Amino acid sequence: AQSVTQPDIHITVSEGASLELRCNYSYGATPYLFWYVQSPGQGLQLLLKYFSGDTLVQGIKGFEAEFKRSQSSFNLRKPSVHWSDAAEYFCAVGAPGGYQKVTFGTGTKLQVIP
Amino acid sequence: DTGVSQDPRHKITKRGQNVTFRCDPISEHNRLYWYRQTLGQGPEFLTYFQNEAQLEKSRLLSDRFSAERPKGSFSTLEIQRTEQGDSAMYLCASSLGPGAKGNEQFFGPGTRLTVL
Repeated sequence: AQSVTQPDIHITVSEGASLELRCNYSYGATPYLFWYVQSPGQGLQLLLKYFSGDTLVQGIKGFEAEFKRSQSSFNLRKPSVHWSDAAEYFCAVGAPGGYQKVTFGTGTKLQVIP
Repeated sequence: DTGVSQDPRHKITKRGQNVTFRCDPISEHNRLYWYRQTLGQGPEFLTYFQNEAQLEKSRLLSDRFSAERPKGSFSTLEIQRTEQGDSAMYLCASSLGPGAKGNEQFFGPGTRLTVL
């Protein structure tokens, strides 16, 4: 069964600092991988996704993520965080093909301090 | 472009009452999903429709839960005899058919249920 681990429940960074959110997945083959962001009162918004090909994926809002098969990781990064990035971030894994049931991690809440 | 919409956005009910939520997917999407999200957790898969056919139900979906998508467009999720443990955010998502691009799910804002 597929699963996702986000080891950091809460992260605080200063505005302008770099950010890395960790995600480890468990799946028998190469999965589909996603990062979503959820702001209070908002739905989940897709930041980026990995299906195949280049392991460094660019997303919206200046985010990127790198798929590392050897480490079963898909960490999210941003070089310079803005106050508006404060939100909860979810990593998710899906099985290739089929109907794409997505399994989410427990989320990392990002706080940005001025 | 109208995204996924859900109604109501908030619902407060008393234990034992029935509630029904509605989800309107993106119009050309033939796949529709329901998830439940409790505080401090990520969304958990409940069920999935391909057009009007309900193709999978999670074990989380007890007999008190029923979902329909009668014409392959909007969907409803009904909870009968609500319990306090049903309090959660219920999220709906939709996607296109098979293929890499079709696997991207677009989420609605959710319906927050509070059972007193």
